[in-house]
Amino acid sequence: DAGITQSPRYKITETGRQVTLMCHQTWSHSYMFWYRQDLGHGLRLIYYSAAADITDKGEVPDGYVVSRSKTENFPLTLESATRSQTSVYFCASTGGISYNSPLHFGNGTRLTVT
Amino acid sequence: SQKIEQNSEALNIQEGKTATLTCNYTNYSPAYLQWYRQDPGRGPVFLLLIRENEKEKRKERLKVTFDTTLKQSLFHITASQPADSATYLCALDNEGGSYIPTFGRGTSLIVHP
Repeated sequence: DAGITQSPRYKITETGRQVTLMCHQTWSHSYMFWYRQDLGHGLRLIYYSAAADITDKGEVPDGYVVSRSKTENFPLTLESATRSQTSVYFCASTGGISYNSPLHFGNGTRLTVT
Repeated sequence: SQKIEQNSEALNIQEGKTATLTCNYTNYSPAYLQWYRQDPGRGPVFLLLIRENEKEKRKERLKVTFDTTLKQSLFHITASQPADSATYLCALDNEGGSYIPTFGRGTSLIVHP
């Protein structure tokens, strides 16, 4: 099916563990994004990528690592999870960054760090 | 720094009435403003975009206005239905000029039958 999919939908991990959240899109969009959504903060940009092998930091990148070896995939890794990283993570994509290029979001991964 | 404000209190209205949601921003002059809808457990879905040189945009029962003097956008849903109940997010292009959207916290709309 065409679209953007995130996996897993739910994840529980322990403090200090490494965890990777997956994001896959089938549109061949050049831009991909990771946001986290928390009560009281709304959506905050973690990292984004303009193309394969090109990534850049967003507003809250600390504690996260991204890679983009293929256009369609943009995994987000928490190298050593902390409780403050408990959140809902959304991946998004768009064909280009301009005023008329809205974002297409996945349905999120709810991550709980215990 | 750029700041986007949406009413954190839920808006409760009766079916058939017009819902009006507000998005205010400070410390920036965005080139565009977008509105998204988010249902529980789902990602945001794009609804409408309005550019800085546009005063108003319509799509079916939706209408968006953009007042760059007041630094405010209003989002209207006419003839509201219970199915319109959701959280509505506004987003502005990043003040750094990259056009990457920065989102407000969203306002929850509850339409009562």
